[in-house]
Amino acid sequence: GAVVSQHPSRVICKSGTSVKIECRSLDFQATTMFWYRQFPKQSLMLMATSNEGSKATYEQGVEKDKFLINHASLTLSTLTVTSAHPEDSSFYICSASNRFSYEQYFGPGTRLTVT
Amino acid sequence: QQQVKQSPQSLIVQKGGISIINCAYENTAFDYFPWYQQFPGKGPALLIAIRPDVSEKKEGRFTISFNKSAKQFSLHIMDSQPGDSATYFCAASLDTGTASKLTFGTGTRLQVTL
Repeated sequence: GAVVSQHPSRVICKSGTSVKIECRSLDFQATTMFWYRQFPKQSLMLMATSNEGSKATYEQGVEKDKFLINHASLTLSTLTVTSAHPEDSSFYICSASNRFSYEQYFGPGTRLTVT
Repeated sequence: QQQVKQSPQSLIVQKGGISIINCAYENTAFDYFPWYQQFPGKGPALLIAIRPDVSEKKEGRFTISFNKSAKQFSLHIMDSQPGDSATYFCAASLDTGTASKLTFGTGTRLQVTL
């Protein structure tokens, strides 16, 4: 399967600061990238879908001004958590796909802790 | 209508036994049904997937059974091994035209004992 990386794998930040998470598809062109959030012992919840070169589509209840998503190239998408608060602490996972496949290839996840 | 219900929540199986996880969906527009395996602190990895035009798919020790009329599908892990201990998620995909969004089940924590 295709390889998707995320950076950083873990990040700790202070309340009120912003943090950026990168998602890269290493060996294929990802026309679509997805961002998920996963709380401990829970399922993955889709936050937003981003298509290369266009604005992200956010799921209901996800604040677009708080979770900024940029998908500027076919291999890179970024999620910026702005003015982070402790309740934003979670495991953030990206996935990538292209228009020729149903499959989504998941990154290893980023553990965000807001103190 | 977008929900995918998964059971059981947790499962303990002896080494060599068969692990069975079940999922049910409501939306008949779903057209792709993958199963993912997730280890603690890692992203999910695709195990096996099926389309609604077939009733069964087997890959190694993993088999998906699909019942379109009942809107149910299940994962069978034959000869379960301790290394299979992980959380398993079923999912269903809906083609929106530009991307296929996944709706995940609630997950099953599988523990395979010696």
